[in-house]
Amino acid sequence: QVQLEESGPGLMQPSETLSLTCTVSGFSLTSNGVGWVRQPLGKGLVWMGTIWAGGSTNYNSAVQSRLSISRDTSKSQVFLKMNSLQPEDTGTYYCARLKTAPDYWGQGVMVTVSS
Amino acid sequence: DVVLTQTPPTLSATIGQSVSISCRSSQSLLHSNGNTYLNWLLQRPGQPPQLLIYLVSRLESGVPNRFSGSGSGTDFTLKISGVEAEDLGVYYCVQSTHAPWTFGGGTKLELK
Repeated sequence: QVQLEESGPGLMQPSETLSLTCTVSGFSLTSNGVGWVRQPLGKGLVWMGTIWAGGSTNYNSAVQSRLSISRDTSKSQVFLKMNSLQPEDTGTYYCARLKTAPDYWGQGVMVTVSS
Repeated sequence: DVVLTQTPPTLSATIGQSVSISCRSSQSLLHSNGNTYLNWLLQRPGQPPQLLIYLVSRLESGVPNRFSGSGSGTDFTLKISGVEAEDLGVYYCVQSTHAPWTFGGGTKLELK
């Protein structure tokens, strides 16, 4: 069945670079897009960016200068890298499979940015 | 980026009551291919979001038919016909017509 699992460090320092991995199973990255979504604690969902089946990407304009999304199709993994971290980047990060809508989600990984 | 405005931000309901949530877009969500990519998610406490409705009114597999979606262009509505306890949580509209995809601010459904 379709599954997505996020992984990465839980605690980061300001100005560091965040690296997260989304490992998928049950579907192919060359046939489906994957998006990253952030949720600050107690707040709403924010779309960070997407990597499409063909490998192209789209980013939220608010973070696009700091964000990069890539993938390794042979390992069924999608990567998020965001530099110059600030405390306001704290939150739960989800990856989701994209069809016409985000139909499957991972459980999320909590990232705290604090000195 | 497209802005989605959801109202109300909070909704109090009794079990069995019917409720509606509005989602208004800053621009038309009608794609050049004729589809309108407006979707609804539910996030229960401590859980990731789950897809309820896609393409305005199509029910995701396994979702009860007390949920329904309607609308066109820039105005959309999610209706729950007879709230049940398992429906409590935060509802989000999300558009996938224009890149990047964007979410509404959320509507929290709670028990009165």
